[in-house]
Amino acid sequence: GQQVQQSPASLVLQEGENAELQCNFSTSLNSMQWFYQRPGGSLVSLFYNPSGTKQSGRLTSTTVIKERRSSLHISSSQTTDSGTYLCAMERNSGTYQRFGTGTKLQVVP
Amino acid sequence: GPKVLQIPSHQIIDMGQMVTLNCDPVSNHLYFYWYKQILGQQMEFLVNFYNGKVMEKSKLFKDQFSVERPDGSYFTLKIQPTALEDSAVYFCASSFSANTEVFFGKGTRLTVV
Repeated sequence: GQQVQQSPASLVLQEGENAELQCNFSTSLNSMQWFYQRPGGSLVSLFYNPSGTKQSGRLTSTTVIKERRSSLHISSSQTTDSGTYLCAMERNSGTYQRFGTGTKLQVVP
Repeated sequence: GPKVLQIPSHQIIDMGQMVTLNCDPVSNHLYFYWYKQILGQQMEFLVNFYNGKVMEKSKLFKDQFSVERPDGSYFTLKIQPTALEDSAVYFCASSFSANTEVFFGKGTRLTVV
């Protein structure tokens, strides 16, 4: 079954609104990353966040290992934030990253 | 930040032909990965590679697929022969060690016709 569940699957925001994206894992994890996938397909690493909270500009990532979840908060959204957000985890004793199905975000003016 | 380079960015190939996708990983990285993403679908793990050997491969890594990194040069994914269902974007990635940040290339869009 799907080991990495992302929600919501899609989201439409008015510019300026905030968003909270969720990632839940069905197994224990060692590390996780958040990525932004541009409409053209290329990946941008947003956060490597195995635990705790990290912030970069308008983005904040919080990972709670024992609850097997991570969130990505986008504040004051902009139209350029539109795209797909992916989370990926490496499980305990794992050797590669497993990806979720993504959240497709559209920010409208 | 560290960059993984993939060459070429696009490749169109006739079904049944061989194709080699090239990846230049981050220079001091030791772990290498290939992922496959069919348009509009999930990113799927294909294979990882460490110390000259495949560590783990998924069901998607068919017998027609092979990987190598001869003498520390490009990390390559070869498909021979190609099939229509191999059409996808192939992402290469690298990391310094297990359970550390993984860096991805921009992908090679492979179209098999």
